[in-house]
Amino acid sequence: GENVEQHPSTLSVQEGDSAVIKCTYSDSASNYFPWYKQELGKRPQLIIDIRSNVGEKKDQRIAVTLNKTAKHFSLHITETQPEDSAVYFCAASRGTNAGKSTFGDGTTLTVKP
Amino acid sequence: DVKVTQSSRYLVKRTGEKVFLECVQDMDHENMFWYRQDPGLGLRLIYFSYDVKMKEKGDIPEGYSVSREKKERFSLILESASTNQTSMYLCASRPTGAGSPLHFGNGTRLTVT
Repeated sequence: GENVEQHPSTLSVQEGDSAVIKCTYSDSASNYFPWYKQELGKRPQLIIDIRSNVGEKKDQRIAVTLNKTAKHFSLHITETQPEDSAVYFCAASRGTNAGKSTFGDGTTLTVKP
Repeated sequence: DVKVTQSSRYLVKRTGEKVFLECVQDMDHENMFWYRQDPGLGLRLIYFSYDVKMKEKGDIPEGYSVSREKKERFSLILESASTNQTSMYLCASRPTGAGSPLHFGNGTRLTVT
């Protein structure tokens, strides 16, 4: 089955700096890669996703890049703010009907004011 | 907006009890999932269902079963609760089709004593 590895497990940055979280996956048939943000005590929520026919996607301060050959994808957050502090999860899934997602172990991001 | 509702936010049960965790979604999604979340281990898939009365094992199904009698409702059952099943349980749903994100419930924090 699919295996997703996520690094680092914790990340601390100063407000205004950039943050990068990286994930690798093992199943070459995976073609959908979402990123979820989970604030303390809340549910995980989608912040950005990318499909395998795209190399990069941006949404304001957030971007995701995908390298299909190397089987890795990354989340980039620029101009970090204290409200970006949360646990971030990457995931990978195939484009089948159920499309079960395999998650990374999560990265706890702390943005220091 | 998709709403996924888990019946209990907190639950305390005794070892050996039969436990039911209920999840209801209001967006007519075909696919529903139960994940378990533990610190440092990410989200691990217990069971999923792609249609009424259909179920598939995830990565950690041992000690659990599920029921999906109606499209909107997906129940997780702990036949005989054990202390190592103390965890946060997250229900999620998604529509059929490639590349759609999961919509999560708020989670049930289960403690087995």
